[in-house]
Order: sequence, then structure tokens, then C-alpha cells
Amino acid sequence: EVQLVQSGAEVKKPGESLKISCKGSGYSFTSYWIGWVRQMPGKGLEWMGIIYPGDSDTRYSPSFQGQVTISADKSISTAYLQWSSLKASDTAMYYCARRDGKAPVDYWGQGTLVTVSS
Amino acid sequence: QPVLTQPPSASASLGASVTLTCTLSSGYSNYKVDWYQQRPGKGPRFVMRVGTGGIVGSKGDGIPDRFSVLGSGLNRYLTIKNIQEEDESDYHCGADHGSGSNFVWVFGGGTKLTVL
Repeated sequence: EVQLVQSGAEVKKPGESLKISCKGSGYSFTSYWIGWVRQMPGKGLEWMGIIYPGDSDTRYSPSFQGQVTISADKSISTAYLQWSSLKASDTAMYYCARRDGKAPVDYWGQGTLVTVSS
Repeated sequence: QPVLTQPPSASASLGASVTLTCTLSSGYSNYKVDWYQQRPGKGPRFVMRVGTGGIVGSKGDGIPDRFSVLGSGLNRYLTIKNIQEEDESDYHCGADHGSGSNFVWVFGGGTKLTVL
């Protein structure tokens, strides 16, 4: 069974760093893209970036380039999304999503809620 | 890159039909769009992909036959017939643009469907 399991909810202060994870199982982790999608409270979906764990090829949305870092450790089938200095406006639910090339997302993680508050 | 526009809300009575619209910006009439359903408090799930010729590929797992799509011009439609309470959700459309280092994945703002 294919699964994407994300790390748990986080509560952080502005200026702190954070790294959340998305662990894939039940498939060849290196053969599919993993994308990260933000959903701010009560808002729509926003694409942040995408990585191909096979060779770590990574693309970023222009809106998020330089704001976050996406990485993957294929030895443990895990993709990451990290911030070096969080802002209150980073408060959102973050989803990872699996894609086979340009096919639609077929599996989503359960989401990680990040709350940034002083 | 395309901009996807969705009405923020829609409503329909139980058992009725509703059509949701995702409109591509000018110049992108040949683009395919993916529809995703997001039930309250849950993550998104794939419904189906639509181009100007209709559905592209297969429906998502567990999507009932009551759901169908059409594409015309800049519009991509998702129609739900015999609406059930479980269909009350946010519906998002998404599309890809470019390739390689120029790849962009865009979403519309989502439509909240209320079942009356």
C-alpha cells in the first residue's frame, strides 16, 4: 500500500528554524516526484516546490524560491521542507504529494500543521 | 503561466446537479486541468483530469460515476449529479506549465460547495 506519512504538528516562534518530513512507503521512492503544497487557513492550495528523490532535481515556485528549502534522503525514503527563519505568515497546513512526471497527484500526505506565533 | 479562476462558492440541493467551473487565462485554451476534492478537515484527493476533449485518463480512486468533466475553450467543468451530503467539499483545480527549470504548477482559488 502506497503511503506518504508526514511529521506531526509544530508550534514555533518567529525567527525559529523548522524541518518537516514526508516519508514514502509501498513504492519506489526514487521513481516519483514529491511536491509540497501550502494551504493557509481558509485558503486555497499553493504549490511551493517539487523534488525528484532519484537525483534530487528540485524546482521551486517563484513565490517560494529562497524562502524554503526542499530536500530528500532516498536512503530513508523521506522528503523534507525546511525554513531557516519562520514568520507568522508561514502558519499553514503543508501537504506533500506524489506525482509520476506530469500525471496528476495520486497520493497525498495527511498534512502537517505549522503554527508560528510569539 | 496560466492563471486559474474559480468562483469562491457554489451551492446545490440534495439530489440536484451542479457544475463547477475553472477558467484558464487567455492563451491557455489547450491546457489540461486536474480537479481535486477536499472534504472538511481532510487533505485533497484527485477527482479527474480534463482537457478540451473531456476526461484525460482515469478517475481517481473511489470517485463515483456521478462526477463528470467537460472542457470548452478556456473553461474546464466538473459536474456532480444527484448531489449527496458527502459531496460538500472544497474543489480545487490545478494545471502544469512549462518543463525543466521552468516548470510551474498552479492552482485556482478553490470553490466551496455547499449542499443544501
